[in-house]
Amino acid sequence: EAGVAQSPRYKIIEKRQSVAFWCNPISGHATLYWYQQILGQGPKLLIQFQNNGVVDDSQLPKDRFSAERLKGVDSTLKIQPAKLEDSAVYLCASSFLTSGEWVSYNEQFFGPGTRLTVL
Amino acid sequence: GQQVMQIPQYQHVQEGEDFTTYCNSSTTLSNIQWYKQRPGGHPVFLIQLVKSGEVKKQKRLTFQFGEAKKNSSLHITATQTTDVGTYFCNLYGGSQGNLIFGKGTKLSVKP
Repeated sequence: EAGVAQSPRYKIIEKRQSVAFWCNPISGHATLYWYQQILGQGPKLLIQFQNNGVVDDSQLPKDRFSAERLKGVDSTLKIQPAKLEDSAVYLCASSFLTSGEWVSYNEQFFGPGTRLTVL
Repeated sequence: GQQVMQIPQYQHVQEGEDFTTYCNSSTTLSNIQWYKQRPGGHPVFLIQLVKSGEVKKQKRLTFQFGEAKKNSSLHITATQTTDVGTYFCNLYGGSQGNLIFGKGTKLSVKP
């Protein structure tokens, strides 16, 4: 079974530039998560999708970050403009949707992440 | 809002010694998950606990969920070098809370 795919694996940009990350979840997983993991810290949830709807984006810095999952499968996360403090690994994860549950809390399968360096 | 504390931040053990990490929530939880992240890798799911007082075992790993569903622990018996990594708890507060990862406990094992 193919895992969660992410690209690019590494990205180096200068501050104030824009960057986009792509995620393809495991086939059949309705729930998709984007996390930001700063070195030495735990993953911080940025946004959670259920199919193509947003379940939780309370910690997404909406003035510069945006995310979409238009067809309920692939997702993109964009940062515009980037700041130095955005340097981190951006992890995408997906999980099954338990039948009857609105918010899924099943096992999350993580992709390899995108390491972003903002200079 | 919902907060999580995970301790200790670091643990250095001799191979064969035991290891325990604790996760405490400021609010009652719906469920808790544990993940392991190897150096340079991504988090990998270990277990999910849902019931009050639940205890689950996976070989040398024992997971517990507190009676009040506000704390949890992961215990490793007789650590091995393959146990090296950072162990994270991931809390779900239900309809009143969010998904929150702890800061993790980084385990190093000296052979």
